[in-house]
Amino acid sequence: KAGVTQTPRYLIKTRGQQVTLSCSPISGHRSVSWYQQTPGQGLQFLFEYFSETQRNKGNFPGRFSGRQFSNSRSEMNVSTLELGDSALYLCASSPRTRMGEKLFFGSGTQLSVL
Amino acid sequence: GQQLNQSPQSMFIQEGEDVSMNCTSSSIFNTWLWYKQDPGEGPVLLIALYKAGELTSNGRLTAQFGITRKDSFLNISASIPSDVGIYFCAGQADLSYNTDKLIFGTGTRLQVFP
Repeated sequence: KAGVTQTPRYLIKTRGQQVTLSCSPISGHRSVSWYQQTPGQGLQFLFEYFSETQRNKGNFPGRFSGRQFSNSRSEMNVSTLELGDSALYLCASSPRTRMGEKLFFGSGTQLSVL
Repeated sequence: GQQLNQSPQSMFIQEGEDVSMNCTSSSIFNTWLWYKQDPGEGPVLLIALYKAGELTSNGRLTAQFGITRKDSFLNISASIPSDVGIYFCAGQADLSYNTDKLIFGTGTRLQVFP
């Protein structure tokens, strides 16, 4: 069974640009969550999608947005990039077949903003 | 952003030694998860705990869900070089179980010397 796939693996952008990251969950998983990881702030929850609906949202500015498609694939968009947006962006999926289901993470997209 | 208190921050041990780390929160959780992350990769789930007092093993790893539901512990016995990495605890606080949002610990960086 294939794991969570994130593309691209690495990305370099400049301030003010926008970026779109992609995540393909494990087959059969309907829930996709996004996390930002930085050395200073650790792993922080961005948002969660289930059946194409945003189920929960973290404390990030509106420049961070996402969506989920009918095949459960998800995209995350960051507009007007800032230097502080440089981070490893991780996507996680879960089947949500039971309460408190565990998450399975992809390898992440390393975003560098210059 | 919200994080769990995880200690120790780092450990330098000799191969064959046992390792203990813990995670504490000011609020209760209904699920505790332990992950390991290698450089440039996403976290990989090690153990999931769903009930207060639960003790679960996965090979040389043993984790416990604290009775107060505000803490969790991870032990690694007879460490080997491939145990090197960063270990994260994560808790799910939503008592409605209606989200996959996790709160992550600050991480414990483990180094194992032969």
